[in-house]
Amino acid sequence: EPEVTQTPSHQVTQMGQEVILRCVPISNHLYFYWYRQILGQKVEFLVSFYNNEISEKSEIFDDQFSVERPDGSNFTLKIRSTKLEDSAMYFCASSERGFGNEKLFFGSGTQLSVL
Amino acid sequence: AQSVAQPEDQVNVAEGNPLTVKCTYSVSGNPYLFWYVQYPNRGLQFLLKYITGDNLVKGSYGFEAEFNKSQTSFHLKKPSALVSDSALYFCAVRDNQGGKLIFGQGTELSVKP
Repeated sequence: EPEVTQTPSHQVTQMGQEVILRCVPISNHLYFYWYRQILGQKVEFLVSFYNNEISEKSEIFDDQFSVERPDGSNFTLKIRSTKLEDSAMYFCASSERGFGNEKLFFGSGTQLSVL
Repeated sequence: AQSVAQPEDQVNVAEGNPLTVKCTYSVSGNPYLFWYVQYPNRGLQFLLKYITGDNLVKGSYGFEAEFNKSQTSFHLKKPSALVSDSALYFCAVRDNQGGKLIFGQGTELSVKP
């Protein structure tokens, strides 16, 4: 089965630093998502992306966050100035279509630790 | 707003016994419901989904889920649990407008030999 791949698997950074989390969605998928999961809590939606623009974003996705699809294959999440509370597992996901009964495919995640 | 709730943080089952992981939902319109499983240090893996029609949905690894409209529930079941089923299980509903998945809090399933 095709896979969503994420790099790096672990990222440690100092508070205030910028981080970029990378994802390669499944090649024929058109909709892309970032979710995060703080330790012991539920999986939370951050942002969805289609046709090179943000379709929807949550309250968590403030001005410190941005997403980009720089080259037609990668999908990145940038956090400009990390805070301690950004420490979480970040999951990328993709789907062929953006609605209905279609499942999302998730990557294995990037564990971000902000010190 | 659409939401799902998983009332149990943890479910403990003996190997070979049937298991149920509960989920209730609140949606406007037709619900698109999903179950995902998360093994330690792994991403979420799709188990099964409810579209329309048959209320009993069969999925991966012998799991099934029963859609009950009157009780607004979508419980995950398996007739005979395996130790390897031990994982974190998430119920989710697909947002009809934007397409995102809205997850429940997750239920930790522990299957003991």
